Formats: sequence, structure tokens, C-alpha cells
Amino acid sequence: NAGVTQTPKFQVLKTGQSMTLQCAQDMNHEYMSWYRQDPGMGLRLIHYSVGAGITDQGEVPNGYNVSRSTTEDFPLRLLSAAPSQTSVYFCASSYFELAGGPGEQFFGPGTRLTVL
Amino acid sequence: AQSVAQPEDQVNVAEGNPLTVKCTYSVSGNPYLFWYVQYPNRGLQFLLKYITGDNLVKGSYGFEAEFNKSQTSFHLKKPSALVSDSALYFCAVRVLMDSSYKLIFGSGTRLLVRP
Repeated sequence: NAGVTQTPKFQVLKTGQSMTLQCAQDMNHEYMSWYRQDPGMGLRLIHYSVGAGITDQGEVPNGYNVSRSTTEDFPLRLLSAAPSQTSVYFCASSYFELAGGPGEQFFGPGTRLTVL
Repeated sequence: AQSVAQPEDQVNVAEGNPLTVKCTYSVSGNPYLFWYVQYPNRGLQFLLKYITGDNLVKGSYGFEAEFNKSQTSFHLKKPSALVSDSALYFCAVRVLMDSSYKLIFGSGTRLLVRP
């Protein structure tokens, strides 16, 4: 199993450009999520999905879109990049705990994004 | 407000000594708690979790964590630190917000184990 894969590893954008960060998992997990990691702020949830066709907003959704057409893929789209979106982005997937909510999450290697 | 806090930005310990990385939480209902570790330029890796049952939870790489309901804490511990344990550690808690469950992460604690 490849686990959770993310592409690209690095990206530099100019303000106003758009791009898509790719995420795929091969563990048949229903729950997938996108986080951004900024120094001193831990990980903040951007968007998440509890299954194909279902997405919802996290703590910091503004400026980002997601879709979940298959169980495996969960791309994150930056609509019009801003310097405030300079960050490291992590995709994660997990099964559901019996009592509800995500279980232990499996993280991808991350995408380091710089917006000039 | 539901939250998780890691009060120490950095913990320094000598190799062979016991280590503790602190985590406190504030949630509605029963807490589900997790610890993750992040090595440089890598994604996070799961260490252990508390859902229910014994207050002392054992995890990967010799780590354990103690759940204390009265103090709302979930501190990560290891009896004897290794230099290779040096990394960034995150505590996370499951919360119910807007009718769905999410994970909230602490700000992270950098552990430095000196030889």
C-alpha cells in the first residue's frame, strides 16, 4: 500500500494564481481531511469529507475548495492564491471509530506552498 | 469553547532520562485523545490514542500517555528518552462541532533529547 500520497511536494505561486493540490489514499478510508501547518499554530483543519460526494468546512476554509468524487481522491483547490496561504499542507485519511468521528489519521508527506 | 493546549513550546531532556510532554483539553462529552509525532520534513505519525478504558495507554516506540479526567490532561511519557525521539509532538482531541466530529490539534511541542 502506498498509503496517502500528495503532489506536488513543493510549489511556488504568484498572488492571484490558482492551483490544485492532489491527495490520494489506497486504504479505502471514508474520512479524509486537509490541514495547513503554520509555525506555532499546530495543524488547522481546512476541509474534510466523510465519504464520496460529501464535504464540509473546517476551521479555516476561506480561499479553498474541495471535492470528493471518489473514495480515493480528495483534491484541494486554491482559487486565487494569497501570501497568507503560504504554508505546509497535509492531507490525511482515516476510518471511522465505532462511537463516531475519525479514528487515527494517516498523513501524507505534505506540500510546501509559497505564494509571492 | 472546545480546545486542546500544549503549554510547552519545547522540552529538553537528557538521553536515558524520563520525558513528559504535556497536553490539556477542554471538550464537551467524553474525550477522544490522540498523540502524533512529526519528524523533520515528514507528515505526522500516529503514536497512541485514548478512547475509553485504562487511563494508561501504551503506544508506539515505547511511548505511553496517562489520561486524567479530573485534571483534563493527557500527558505523553516515556521512561527513558532516546536521541532519536527528538521531534515535534502534537496532541489532538476529537470534538463535536456543527453536528459533526472533527479533530483539533494542539500547537505542538518540540522535544530535544541531548546525548
